[in-house]
Amino acid sequence: DAMVIQNPRYQVTQFGKPVTLSCSQTLNHNVMYWYQQKSSQAPKLLFHYYDKDFNNEADTPDNFQSRRPNTSFCFLDIRSPGLGDAAMYLCATSRVILQNIQYFGAGTRLSVL
Amino acid sequence: SQQGEEDPQALSIQEGENATMNCSYKTSINNLQWYRQNSGRGLVHLILIRSNEREKHSGRLRVTLDTSKKSSSLLITASRAADTASYFCATAEGGSEKLVFGKGTKLTVNP
Repeated sequence: DAMVIQNPRYQVTQFGKPVTLSCSQTLNHNVMYWYQQKSSQAPKLLFHYYDKDFNNEADTPDNFQSRRPNTSFCFLDIRSPGLGDAAMYLCATSRVILQNIQYFGAGTRLSVL
Repeated sequence: SQQGEEDPQALSIQEGENATMNCSYKTSINNLQWYRQNSGRGLVHLILIRSNEREKHSGRLRVTLDTSKKSSSLLITASRAADTASYFCATAEGGSEKLVFGKGTKLTVNP
């Protein structure tokens, strides 16, 4: 089945130790998004790629970076995780002509020790 | 920000009852969508209503949209324990590939 896959499902890192989360999709969608979601809150958009064009949200800290080496893969890099970065990270895709319906992965739960 | 506001924040009902959740938003939209999120999982798209539509049905789901009041409601009829989840509305502005999510309603359906 076509889908959005996030790895790993759970990630534990140490304070200040760089970590990379990955997302892959078989939907061939041209837009890929990264959201941060904290407990009982709405998903917060960090950035997204429209094809190869990177779009950063104004309030996304510089500590968060992203790479999209090809259509299928997108990575979220956290350069120096702080305790406040512990959250669920959600990857989503959409095909813009389909009215922005977004398809989400199962998420990666990040813990920072 | 045109982040939507859902109410109630939490809703607890018995199986078989109907559940109604409301969403308000701030600016003009292209469409409004509802998503469901089971605990610890990603979001799943449920239904989309365009700005020129007033009501839409999908199975046990009924969505209404009132653009004059900038509000929408999601009705789940004959609820089941498996409907227990958080429900988010999300709005799409014309020309943007982004969605803005509301804060969500946490629904608990008791068997």
